[in-house]
This record gives sequence, C-alpha cells and structure tokens, in this order.
Amino acid sequence: AQSVTQPDIHITVSEGASLELRCNYSYGATPYLFWYVQSPGQGLQLLLKYFSGDTLVQGIKGFEAEFKRSQSSFNLRKPSVHWSDAAEYFCAVRGGGADGLTFGKGTHLIIQP
Amino acid sequence: NAGVMQNPRHLVRRRGQEARLRCSPMKGHSHVYWYRQLPEEGLKFMVYLQKENIIDESGMPKERFSAEFPKEGPSILRIQQVVRGDSAAYFCASSPRGNSPNTEAFFGQGTRLTVV
Repeated sequence: AQSVTQPDIHITVSEGASLELRCNYSYGATPYLFWYVQSPGQGLQLLLKYFSGDTLVQGIKGFEAEFKRSQSSFNLRKPSVHWSDAAEYFCAVRGGGADGLTFGKGTHLIIQP
Repeated sequence: NAGVMQNPRHLVRRRGQEARLRCSPMKGHSHVYWYRQLPEEGLKFMVYLQKENIIDESGMPKERFSAEFPKEGPSILRIQQVVRGDSAAYFCASSPRGNSPNTEAFFGQGTRLTVV
C-alpha cells in the first residue's frame, strides 16, 4: 500500500521569500503524484501533478515540484511567496488503476509580512 | 460547467441521528470518490463509486456508513446513528473516468458535519 509523509506540520515564510514543502512517498511502482492546496473552509484545488516524463513539473500560481525517484520525494517549490499563498498544502499519491488518492497530513503555510 | 457540488456545506446532528451528505459530480463525470478529513489530519479515502456500483469501499467504516451513486441524482453518503467521532469534513471528488491513474479528480468544497 502507498503512503505519503509530509514531515513539516507548520512552515513560516516571509512574504517574498522562497518556499519548499517536503513530500516523501512510499510506493512500489511508478507513482502518480499530486499537490493540492486548501484554503480555510474550502475544498482542495490541484496545484500540479506528475505522471511521467520531465521530472520538474510546473503548476498554477507559480508553483513547481520536482520528482526524485532516488529520494522518493516530490517537493513543492515557489521562488517568491505571496500573502495569498497562506493555506494548507497536501501531497498525494495514487497507485495504479482507479485507486483513491492517499494524502499526507498536510503542511500549514504561514506567511509573515 | 459547474464544479463538484456538495450540500449541505454545514450539517449539525445530534448523537443518534442520521446524516445524509450529497454530492453532484461535474457534468460528464461518472466516477465519484468520498474522503473524510478529521481535524488536523489529511484526507482519508472512504469509497469509490461509479453509477449504480460501488467499486472500492475499503476505507469505509464497517458499520453505520453507506454510500450510493444512483443512475439518476447525486451520490449520497449516509451515516446512521451519528456519534461525536463522526464530526469531520467530508469531501467528494469526481472524475470523468476512473480506470486511468493519471485522471485528475476535482474536489467539492466539502460538508462539515458537527455532531452535538
């Protein structure tokens, strides 16, 4: 069975600074990886996804993520954060077939002025 | 094209009552997934349904919980005899097809159930 670990429960970043959110997964074959963002009281919005090909994936809102098979990681990055990026971020993995997503516990991003 | 619609957005039930959560998938989507999010936790998969079929219910509690996705109408997640531990946000996601792992699922805004 697959699993996802997001080691950082909370991260505080100054506005304009760079951001990296960590995600490690466990899955025996090629995983299908996703990053979602959840604003307070809202549903989940897909930021980006990796299925195959180029290991550096571009997403919406200026986010990108890099798949590193050797490290079983799929870290999310943004060069310069904005106050509106404050939210909960979830990494998720999906195995083969039509399985539901397996989510990490999330990282709460706080933006300091 | 409206997104995934869940209602109600907020639901309060007393212990022992029944909770019915509804999910209307995006137009053209015939696959529905339900997830539960407990406070301070990530989302946990509960059940995957196609029209009139339950495909995977490995994440559903064995008792009191049931789900359906009829030929007509929304998908329903039903919780009988609710207890305080059922208080959570319940999210529905839909996709146009479920047999491809790279198919994106679109999430609704969730139903927040509070059991008092």
